[in-house]
Amino acid sequence: RKEVEQDPGPFNVPEGATVAFNCTYSNSASQSFFWYRQDCRKEPKLLMSVYSSGNEDGRFTAQLNRASQYISLLIRDSKLSDSATYLCVVKGPPNSNSGYALNFGKGTSLLVTP
Amino acid sequence: GAGVSQSPSNKVTEKGKDVELRCDPISGHTALYWYRQSLGQGLEFLIYFQGNSAPDKSGLPSDRFSAERTGGSVSTLTIQRTQQEDSAVYLCASSWGSYNEQFFGPGTRLTVL
Repeated sequence: RKEVEQDPGPFNVPEGATVAFNCTYSNSASQSFFWYRQDCRKEPKLLMSVYSSGNEDGRFTAQLNRASQYISLLIRDSKLSDSATYLCVVKGPPNSNSGYALNFGKGTSLLVTP
Repeated sequence: GAGVSQSPSNKVTEKGKDVELRCDPISGHTALYWYRQSLGQGLEFLIYFQGNSAPDKSGLPSDRFSAERTGGSVSTLTIQRTQQEDSAVYLCASSWGSYNEQFFGPGTRLTVL
């Protein structure tokens, strides 16, 4: 079983829609959580970190539920330019051998249509 | 400033040949990572370098894979006797310190025929 699981999609949504992605992780010792964005044939780029209190960056909201080992990303008022693959990423605690390597889910594909 | 660069961007090779992939990290970044992204597999960690410490090679899939980092900067990932299952995009990342944001290079797309 992969350590980070995501629904691969694809999610096809019209412009302006709200879309939510979910992710679960199996290592309860994981300490840091992120969402990355990867455009077709490009490298992954950090979209936002995820905190237990939940955090928002413009149209993007990330939530973490440590008890359920569940991470979510909500995109409001989606734009054509949001079309990409969204990768859920976790890291282990510092000073462990999993504390620096990023552990990626396989990604969720989003296509926003006019 | 300049980001992480990798070369070549594409490499096609025949099964059984050796290949070398190069990564130039962001200047001043002490940590360097190699990942592999295979179709349907997602990104997986291969190896990690931090300063002058011994590298963490725990993610390397076989002894045909090796990597070095010279002078704490440029890194080379070598795959010996390539196999078709080695076909993937090999991504390098660097960060300032081990626990800070990792910035990825554009990757090398390796195709083994």
